[in-house]
Amino acid sequence: DVVMTQSPLSLPVTLGQPASISCRSSQSLVHSDGNTYLNWFHQRPGQSPRRLIYKVSNRDSGVPDRFSGSGSGTDFTLKISRVEAEDVGVYYCMQSPHWPWTFGQGTKVEIK
Amino acid sequence: EVRLVESGGDLVQPGGSLRLSCAASGFTFSGDWMGWVRQAPEKGLDWVAKINQDGSQTYYVDSVKGRFTISRDNAKNSLYLQMDSLRADDTAVYYCARLVWFSADHWGQGTLVTVSS
Repeated sequence: DVVMTQSPLSLPVTLGQPASISCRSSQSLVHSDGNTYLNWFHQRPGQSPRRLIYKVSNRDSGVPDRFSGSGSGTDFTLKISRVEAEDVGVYYCMQSPHWPWTFGQGTKVEIK
Repeated sequence: EVRLVESGGDLVQPGGSLRLSCAASGFTFSGDWMGWVRQAPEKGLDWVAKINQDGSQTYYVDSVKGRFTISRDNAKNSLYLQMDSLRADDTAVYYCARLVWFSADHWGQGTLVTVSS
């Protein structure tokens, strides 16, 4: 199975400051169709996950533009330009060109 | 609006069986792949199974192969997960998700399965 490794696992941030989460895969996430299937999800306490980003850098409808995704091959990053209180929770990357699809361990974002 | 509502979670003894359901609305259910993801208490997310639009293709994670069966009824806009030979490590919240372009774009609220004697 493809192993997804996130860092850091815990991220205390100051409101209004930027934050960045790294996600590395054990295999290339480039599918035979040429697309790179790397997704980012956010899960608030007690809630189900919500997708933020798909295919590396495409934001879902309703996701604030302070969230951005980048990367290629096996190395990816989620950035929050200015953290707001509603951004707390756990962030997961997920690869989906290879079954079983697999998630990173999760990065817990909390306000300092 | 896409809506996915899971049901069927319960407390079950090891070795027992359970059938989860997911009622879908707000989209053309028969047009999309669907899947199940689980989350053990205080743990991360793990894919369990996925199924194509007409149910002819199913995929499972190794840990549930031969014990779990994913199926769907497009006439009822419903997704199912039959879970047999349940083990303690199957204890988790189970989410159903709509799969579009190699991704899970909408998730249900989850249903809790507890395997314990």
